[in-house]
Amino acid sequence: AQKITQTQPGMFVQEKEAVTLDCTYDTSDPSYGLFWYKQPSSGEMIFLIYQGSYDQQNATEGRYSLNFQKARKSANLVISASQLGDSAMYFCAMREGGNTGGFKTIFGAGTRLFVKA
Amino acid sequence: DTGVSQDPRHKITKRGQNVTFRCDPISEHNRLYWYRQTLGQGPEFLTYFQNEAQLEKSRLLSDRFSAERPKGSFSTLEIQRTEQGDSAMYLCASTPPTELYNEQFFGPGTRLTVL
Repeated sequence: AQKITQTQPGMFVQEKEAVTLDCTYDTSDPSYGLFWYKQPSSGEMIFLIYQGSYDQQNATEGRYSLNFQKARKSANLVISASQLGDSAMYFCAMREGGNTGGFKTIFGAGTRLFVKA
Repeated sequence: DTGVSQDPRHKITKRGQNVTFRCDPISEHNRLYWYRQTLGQGPEFLTYFQNEAQLEKSRLLSDRFSAERPKGSFSTLEIQRTEQGDSAMYLCASTPPTELYNEQFFGPGTRLTVL
């Protein structure tokens, strides 16, 4: 069964510094996708970044990068130059490939990030 | 606004009552997903539709829960005989008709409180 583990319930980072949020996953499907979403206190789910299992390079989107280590089954999110507005809940998620017939996404328990001024 | 919409945004009900939520996906998206999110947790998958067909249903979805997408456009999620444990945020998401999506588009959610 697929599984997502986020071991850091809460993280603190100083404004303008970089922070890494950990995520490990487990799946037997060779085709899968990994996502990170941000959920501010207002509740909306904001898509940040995506990494496909066959992608050779780590995904980057502005200040967000995904450190994809396939053999270790980890997909850590790196936020560079943290801003106060980055304070939110962050969820790692995984979608198994369509060739297994499954399109659902499962989410980790989340990491709450606090950015200090 | 062409995003995913959900109605109502908030619902307060008494235990034992039935409630129904609606989700309107982005118009060209053929797949629609329902999730439940309790406080401090990540969203939990409930069910998903491809067009009007309900293709997968979580074991979390007890017999009191039913979801429909009759014309392959909007979807409804009904909870019968609500219990206090049903209090949660119910999220809807949609994805386009590509083989493998790289983003789910979420609606703002319906927050249910069962008294």
